[in-house]
Amino acid sequence: EPEVTQTPSHQVTQMGQEVILRCVPISNHLYFYWYRQILGQKVEFLVSFYNNEISEKSEIFDDQFSVERPDGSNFTLKIRSTKLEDSAMYFCASSEATAAAFFGQGTRLTVV
Amino acid sequence: AQSVTQPDIHITVSEGASLELRCNYSYGATPYLFWYVQSPGQGLQLLLKYFSGDTLVQGIKGFEAEFKRSQSSFNLRKPSVHWSDAAEYFCAVGANRDDKIIFGKGTRLHILP
Repeated sequence: EPEVTQTPSHQVTQMGQEVILRCVPISNHLYFYWYRQILGQKVEFLVSFYNNEISEKSEIFDDQFSVERPDGSNFTLKIRSTKLEDSAMYFCASSEATAAAFFGQGTRLTVV
Repeated sequence: AQSVTQPDIHITVSEGASLELRCNYSYGATPYLFWYVQSPGQGLQLLLKYFSGDTLVQGIKGFEAEFKRSQSSFNLRKPSVHWSDAAEYFCAVGANRDDKIIFGKGTRLHILP
């Protein structure tokens, strides 16, 4: 069964450092998303991406965040200068035109 | 704007008992509704979805959910739970099939042996 793959599964970084979270969406999907889940809280939408551009972003997705689809298979989330409050599980998701989003296993980001 | 309410933070049922997890949504038009399950340390797995048509939808692992427009609800049910069903369950709503998904806060299901 096709799946969304995220790497790394766990990332520890120092405050102020840049991190890049990587995702390989399901190959025929056209819509890509990033969500995050702070420990013990609900899953929150960050950004959606379609046709090589951001289609929607939440207020969480400020100038410190960026997304990119550098090639035909990867979808990345960059946090330019991490803060302690960026510690969370980050989920990548993808969907095709007629289906719900399929989520990856997540990357747990710990900012120290 | 869409919103989702899951009124039960924790639910405990005995193995073999029936289960119903509640979900209420707020959205002006016909919503797209989802249930996801998250096992500890794991990602989000889609259990089932409702886009249109039959209001009773079947999902994986023996789960089903019923869309009731008059009650703005999309409750998840299972006739007989198994110990492996212990997990956190999230109800979610979207405005379109490919729109962002708004999640509820989740219901943690505990299973008694």
